[in-house]
Amino acid sequence: RKEVEQDPGPFNVPEGATVAFNCTYSNSASQSFFWYRQDCRKEPKLLMSVYSSGNEDGRFTAQLNRASQYISLLIRDSKLSDSATYLCVVNSGTGRRALTFGSGTRLQVQP
Amino acid sequence: NAGVTQTPKFRILKIGQSMTLQCTQDMNHNYMYWYRQDPGMGLKLIYYSVGAGITDKGEVPNGYNVSRSTTEDFPLRLELAAPSQTSVYFCASSYFEGARGANVLTFGAGSRLTVL
Repeated sequence: RKEVEQDPGPFNVPEGATVAFNCTYSNSASQSFFWYRQDCRKEPKLLMSVYSSGNEDGRFTAQLNRASQYISLLIRDSKLSDSATYLCVVNSGTGRRALTFGSGTRLQVQP
Repeated sequence: NAGVTQTPKFRILKIGQSMTLQCTQDMNHNYMYWYRQDPGMGLKLIYYSVGAGITDKGEVPNGYNVSRSTTEDFPLRLELAAPSQTSVYFCASSYFEGARGANVLTFGAGSRLTVL
C-alpha cells in the first residue's frame, strides 16, 4: 500500500461546481498534513495546511479524519483558475525524510 | 526576495555525461531538499540537508550526489547520466514549525532534464 494515496482523476467539473478530493495515508503516527497545488509544468505551491479541527480559507475547506486516516479538500464555486493538480502531503514525524507526497489529483474546471 | 533559484531550467544530456544542478535559497532556511518528479507521479526525495555540512539520502539517491558547503547552496550532481534520470528536478527549502512539527516547503521552478 502506498504511504499516501490519491485518486488521480481527472475531475472535470463546470464552473461554479463544488468538488471534493480525498487522500488516505497509511502511517497512523503522521503528525501534519498539507495540500499543495501544482500547475502544469510548474513547481508545487502550498495551498493550505490541514488542522485537526478542520480549516477554511475562502472557497477551500480542508478536513482531517485521524480515525480513518484520510484528509479531504473541498473547493466551492470552482473557478477556471482552480484547474491544477492538487497534491496531498503528509509529514509522518519530525524527521526531514518524513514528508511524503501523493501522486496528485488533477482538476479541470470547464466553462 | 528571490526564494529558491534553480539552474539550468532545461538541459539535454547524453548517456554517460555528468552535470550539476544548482540550487540557491535566500530565506536562511536550514533545510534543503532535492526531489524528482516523473510524468504523472508524485515527488520522490533524492537527498536532503538539515544544515551546512550535513546531507543524507532520501528515497531515490542512486546515481546522484550532493554537497552543502553553505546555508544558501545545495547543488545536485549527476554522475554518468542514464535515461532513467530523465525527469523534472525540484529543489526546495523549508523552515520548521516546531510547535506543529511541520516543515513547510518552498520550491524552486524546476529543472527539466532529458538524457538521450
